[in-house]
Amino acid sequence: AQKVTQAQTEISVVEKEDVTLDCVYETRDTTYYLFWYKQPPSGELVFLIRRNSFDEQNEISGRYSWNFQKSTSSFNFTITASQVVDSAVYFCALRVPTQNQGGKLIFGQGTELSVKP
Amino acid sequence: DAGVIQSPRHEVTEMGQEVTLRCKPISGHNSLFWYRQTMMRGLELLIYFNNNVPIDDSGMPEDRFSAKMPNASFSTLKIQPSEPRDSAVYFCASRGGRGYGYTFGSGTRLTVV
Repeated sequence: AQKVTQAQTEISVVEKEDVTLDCVYETRDTTYYLFWYKQPPSGELVFLIRRNSFDEQNEISGRYSWNFQKSTSSFNFTITASQVVDSAVYFCALRVPTQNQGGKLIFGQGTELSVKP
Repeated sequence: DAGVIQSPRHEVTEMGQEVTLRCKPISGHNSLFWYRQTMMRGLELLIYFNNNVPIDDSGMPEDRFSAKMPNASFSTLKIQPSEPRDSAVYFCASRGGRGYGYTFGSGTRLTVV
């Protein structure tokens, strides 16, 4: 079975601190995709990144970086020098493109990040 | 590109009434997904379509829920009769095929009183 676990329910930091959001996934498939989405207080789901299982290269986009480690089945997300506008719920998600799973995304429970000024 | 368009943004209805949520996917996207978000269950997939055909509806909670996609540019999710426990945010998402990400609509916040 496929599963995504975000063990941190809530994180609170002070502006300019670095923060890492953890994501651990479970799948027996060798081909899969991992995603991160941001849900700000306004409620929409904003796509941040997609990674496939064959690409373990870490990615950096501005203050955001992602660390993908297949050995530990983790896809962690780090925000450097956090800002108040980063306050949101962040979701990690998994997609296994097999015949019986199709294209569906399986989401973790989300981590609510609060960045205080 | 207007993105995925959902309507209405908010819906308040009385228990027992029929509710219809609407979604217009991004033009050219061939997969459409309906998700429900609640505090207790998080984001859960209800149903998804490929090329207008329902592929997996195992997440539809019960027979009161039905979804249709009569053409590539429109889908509906209907709840009949509605119950207070159906109160949630319902998201529609579309995807353009292999290698593409998922784009979500702004959601419909449904309140059943």
